[in-house]
Amino acid sequence: DAGVIQSPRHEVTEMGQEVTLRCKPISGHNSLFWYRQTMMRGLELLIYFNNNVPIDDSGMPEDRFSAKMPNASFSTLKIQPSEPRDSAVYFCASSYRDRVNGYTFGSGTRLTVV
Amino acid sequence: AQSVTQLDSQVPVFEEAPVELRCNYSSSVSVYLFWYVQYPNQGLQLLLKYLSGSTLVESINGFEAEFNKSQTSFHLRKPSVHISDTAEYFCAVRPHNQGGKLIFGQGTELSVKP
Repeated sequence: DAGVIQSPRHEVTEMGQEVTLRCKPISGHNSLFWYRQTMMRGLELLIYFNNNVPIDDSGMPEDRFSAKMPNASFSTLKIQPSEPRDSAVYFCASSYRDRVNGYTFGSGTRLTVV
Repeated sequence: AQSVTQLDSQVPVFEEAPVELRCNYSSSVSVYLFWYVQYPNQGLQLLLKYLSGSTLVESINGFEAEFNKSQTSFHLRKPSVHISDTAEYFCAVRPHNQGGKLIFGQGTELSVKP
C-alpha cells in the first residue's frame, strides 16, 4: 500500500491567491482527517469526513477554508484567498471508522504564503 | 470536551539514558490513548496505543507507556535511548463514540545527544 498520499509536498504562493491541497487516503479507509500544524498552535483538527460526509468542521478557522471529499479516494482542502498566517504544514490522515487503530498520516504539505 | 497536556515541550537527554515523556489528559467520557512520533520533515507515525486490558503497553522499538486512570496520565518511557530516537512525540486521545477524531497534545521534542 502506498499510504496516504498528499500533494503538493511544498507550496509557495502569494497572499490573495487560491491554494488547493490534495489527499488520497488509503484504499478501504472510510474516515479522513485534515490537520494543520504550526509552532504556535501545534496540531489542530480542521475537519473530518466519515464515508465522504463531513462530520465536524468546527476546526476550520474561517470561511476562506473549505474542504470536499467527492469520493472515497480523494479529498481537497482549499484556501481562498490565502493569507500569510495560513502558512503551516497541512496533514491528511485516514483510518477505518469502526476500528480503533489510530490514523495513517500523509507526509504533509508545507504551505508558505508570502 | 477533551484536552491533552504534554508537560514538557523539550527533553534533552544523553544517549543510553532513560527518558520519560509526560502526558496528562482531561475528558468527560472514556478515551483511547495513543502516542505518535514525528521525525523531521515527515508525517506522524503511530508508536503505541492503549485500548483496554493491561495498562502497560509496549512498542516494537523499546518504548512503553502506562495508562493511569486515577491520575489521567499516559506517560511514555524508554529505559535507554538512542540517537535515532530524536524526534517529536505526540500524545493523543480518542473519545469513545465520537466519530474517531483524535485530539493531540502540543508535542514533546526529544533530543538525544551523544
